[in-house]
Amino acid sequence: QSALTQPASVSGSPGQSITISCTGTNSDVGGYKYVSWYQQHPGKAPKVMIYEVSNRPSGVSNRFSGSKSGNTASLTISGLQVEDEADYYCSSYTSSSTLYVFGTGTKVIVL
Amino acid sequence: QVTLRESGPALVKPTQTLTLTCTFSGFSLSTSGMCVSWIRQPPGKALEWLARIDWDDDKYYSTSLKTRLTISKDTSKNQVVLTMTNMDPVDTATYYCARIRNWNDHYMDVWGKGATVTVSS
Repeated sequence: QSALTQPASVSGSPGQSITISCTGTNSDVGGYKYVSWYQQHPGKAPKVMIYEVSNRPSGVSNRFSGSKSGNTASLTISGLQVEDEADYYCSSYTSSSTLYVFGTGTKVIVL
Repeated sequence: QVTLRESGPALVKPTQTLTLTCTFSGFSLSTSGMCVSWIRQPPGKALEWLARIDWDDDKYYSTSLKTRLTISKDTSKNQVVLTMTNMDPVDTATYYCARIRNWNDHYMDVWGKGATVTVSS
């Protein structure tokens, strides 16, 4: 099971919107609604930001939103803030015996 | 409040077996639907899912590591144990355990802080 493909880095200025893509296959991203996104600050554990493609857990800012089209899921951060600078990983349920696959990770840089 | 904490050796030698324990509170693995997963992250690299154990003792493993992994639970102690055999320097990583609140949720809603494991002779 190959990792989902994400851009290595995405940058934006405070207040701008950025979008991170996550590309998989029909066996994972394209086949299920179970795409989630995690934020990870340096030296910290990941934190779920989006689950089931577009749902936000309680306490997560509504500046974070998710969507999916075909085999590609996306995470959009609007009104970019300095504290949003972190690594972001997508994850998907898969039809293989490996239940879950993560993305390659994207470093968000706030200019 | 739900918390998870990983514990285990910080250093293991090549070919040895690694045993990690995830001790949790705030939920029970005997609750229908509850699951705990293990995930690892080599230094500077991406997350990699390893294994999941469910409330009903169903177990799932990463296909690429299946022959080396064993996951088990002790519901009375609120612990999940992961063993990985034949450790190699490429297994050097931070190992996380995380809760999946319902087997059909398919996302990790609470994570431990991680345990750093170095494989070196």
